Amino acid sequence: DTEVTQTPKHLVMGMTNKKSLKCEQHMGHRAMYWYKQKAKKPPELMFVYSYEKLSINESVPSRFSPECPNSSLLNLHLHALQPEDSALYLCASSQVVQGQTYEQYFGPGTRLTVT
Amino acid sequence: EDKVVQSPLSLVVHEGDTVTLNCSYEVTNFRSLLWYKQEKKAPTFLFMLTSSGIEKKSGRLSSILDKKELFSILNITATQTGDSAVYLCAVEGLNQGAQKLVFGQGTRLTINP
Repeated sequence: DTEVTQTPKHLVMGMTNKKSLKCEQHMGHRAMYWYKQKAKKPPELMFVYSYEKLSINESVPSRFSPECPNSSLLNLHLHALQPEDSALYLCASSQVVQGQTYEQYFGPGTRLTVT
Repeated sequence: EDKVVQSPLSLVVHEGDTVTLNCSYEVTNFRSLLWYKQEKKAPTFLFMLTSSGIEKKSGRLSSILDKKELFSILNITATQTGDSAVYLCAVEGLNQGAQKLVFGQGTRLTINP
């Protein structure tokens, strides 16, 4: 099973709303990632969690707040977003064995529109 | 700053043709280079390359890495319309003890019947 699931598939929110994106994997992967992808652009890394601890934050604005409640789940809490935050948000996970990280598997993404 | 450049950015060929996609990179603490195929949503993993000169092959797709010249190629032979997609090259560097992927802009491949 090489599946990463994300919910919801689509989300429309106003600039004053609070919402959360969810990501789940059951492959035993200990590294999980959030990416943002704008149209016709490559994915841009936002956050990396390794063994449930935040290890990379790519200077993401505080209106995006990640959370890793356990080794299978990754959330992205959204608050006071701007229209330019509209994008496809991708979650990924990868296996870590003796410090070696392997290929990342991506979820289908959440298409976010901020109005 | 880590950088990945793919070429061409766009390619249109006929079914049955062979294509070669290029990826060059500059990255500190290089760990690996990965190729992904992205159709509508999630990038799907194709290859992970860590050693120079060793070809990886999967059906009609193959890829090789040159760590001295800092590039990789992805070959697709006997192309089919289902190969139409954006092909992404990503390079892994080690940053703060965790894996960090830097993606190229992608090559948009269109296969016409």
